[in-house]
Amino acid sequence: DAGVIQSPRHEVTEMGQEVTLRCKPISGHDYLFWYRQTMMRGLELLIYFNNNVPIDDSGMPEDRFSAKMPNASFSTLKIQPSEPRDSAVYFCASSSSGGAGYEQYFGPGTRLTVT
Amino acid sequence: GIQVEQSPPDLILQEGANSTLRCNFSDSVNNLQWFHQNPWGQLINLFYIPSGTKQNGRLSATTVATERYSLLYISSSQTTDSGVYFCAVDRGGAQKLVFGQGTRLTINP
Repeated sequence: DAGVIQSPRHEVTEMGQEVTLRCKPISGHDYLFWYRQTMMRGLELLIYFNNNVPIDDSGMPEDRFSAKMPNASFSTLKIQPSEPRDSAVYFCASSSSGGAGYEQYFGPGTRLTVT
Repeated sequence: GIQVEQSPPDLILQEGANSTLRCNFSDSVNNLQWFHQNPWGQLINLFYIPSGTKQNGRLSATTVATERYSLLYISSSQTTDSGVYFCAVDRGGAQKLVFGQGTRLTINP
């Protein structure tokens, strides 16, 4: 089975530009998560979805960030406009409520650099 | 919110040595996972272990939920074990993993 797929793997953009990160969860998983990793704050949850519905977006830093999940196999995280402090590695993860637990599986991450 | 503390923050060992990494958490949890972040940045699942003991090859983990800690054991370390080891927990089925700051393990040949 393919794991969580993220694209692009690396993104370099200029301040003020729109950035869109993409994620395909593991097939059959009904939970999808977006995390951000920085040196200062470590790994932190931004938002998560259950059955394509956003459940908790309390970790989204500000209105410049938005996330959507139009169907069970695709999600986007958008930053508009981007700022240098948004530079980080963004991870997508998914899990299933149908198993014995809620083990989360992570994608390879997107390294975002905003200059 | 729940607090997760990992120790030690850094650990440097020679190949072949054994190590124990600790994760303390401040409240009861429904989910506890150990991850290895390799030098390429990938987060690799090691264990899903909200309680009890599990083993996978040279690695094993134990969680004592009543005392709010988990231990990760690595035996006969190899250079490929280098990287950062994270403990992450969530409570109440909220699915919100909270990560510790990690233990950076360096295995020298």
